[in-house]
Amino acid sequence: QKEVEQNSGPLSVPEGAIASLNCTYSDRGSQSFFWYRQYSGKSPELIMSIYSNGDKEDGRFTAQLNKASQYVSLLIRDSQPSDSATYLCAVNAGNTGKLIFGQGTTLQVKP
Amino acid sequence: NAGVTQTPKFRILKIGQSMTLQCTQDMNHNYMYWYRQDPGMGLKLIYYSVGAGITDKGEVPNGYNVSRSTTEDFPLRLELAAPSQTSVYFCASSLRGSMNSEAFFGQGTRLTVV
Repeated sequence: QKEVEQNSGPLSVPEGAIASLNCTYSDRGSQSFFWYRQYSGKSPELIMSIYSNGDKEDGRFTAQLNKASQYVSLLIRDSQPSDSATYLCAVNAGNTGKLIFGQGTTLQVKP
Repeated sequence: NAGVTQTPKFRILKIGQSMTLQCTQDMNHNYMYWYRQDPGMGLKLIYYSVGAGITDKGEVPNGYNVSRSTTEDFPLRLELAAPSQTSVYFCASSLRGSMNSEAFFGQGTRLTVV
């Protein structure tokens, strides 16, 4: 069974620090990787997508992909209290757009 | 720019009742999905569709049915509701199925079965 694993946390960081969120996946055929942010009681919101090995930066967010190690990470620089949310890692392993989600990591940014 | 719209937002059902969760998107996306999210967990795929007239089961399809008569609409039917179906249901759509297949989510339907 295809799996995506995340540490559920909570991960607590002080305001201004770098938050590092990690995700591993089991299916080597996976092609697309996504990070969604979900505030309590709200729907998932796409914040980063990555398709090839290496780093992808967008503002304060950097996604990192290592297909050999089957590992995806999300770095949030200069963390703000508004970044406090659950971050869901999702993997697309086929050509139908079906996503396999990890259970999410709860991030708490303390002022 | 509505995106993916779900109705209702909240619903309480009694055991054995039936209901339909509505989902519509205005982005002309071929691919649509229904996920459920239990407390403290990630999302699990119930059913998906790659185009009008085509549907298939996901990871947790038991107790649900879907139809896709148009590109825009993808309703989810619950027959004989059970307490195990208490969850938050999200509908999503994407333009493609493979690369660059970012999914966009509706606001969710919070369902309680009592």
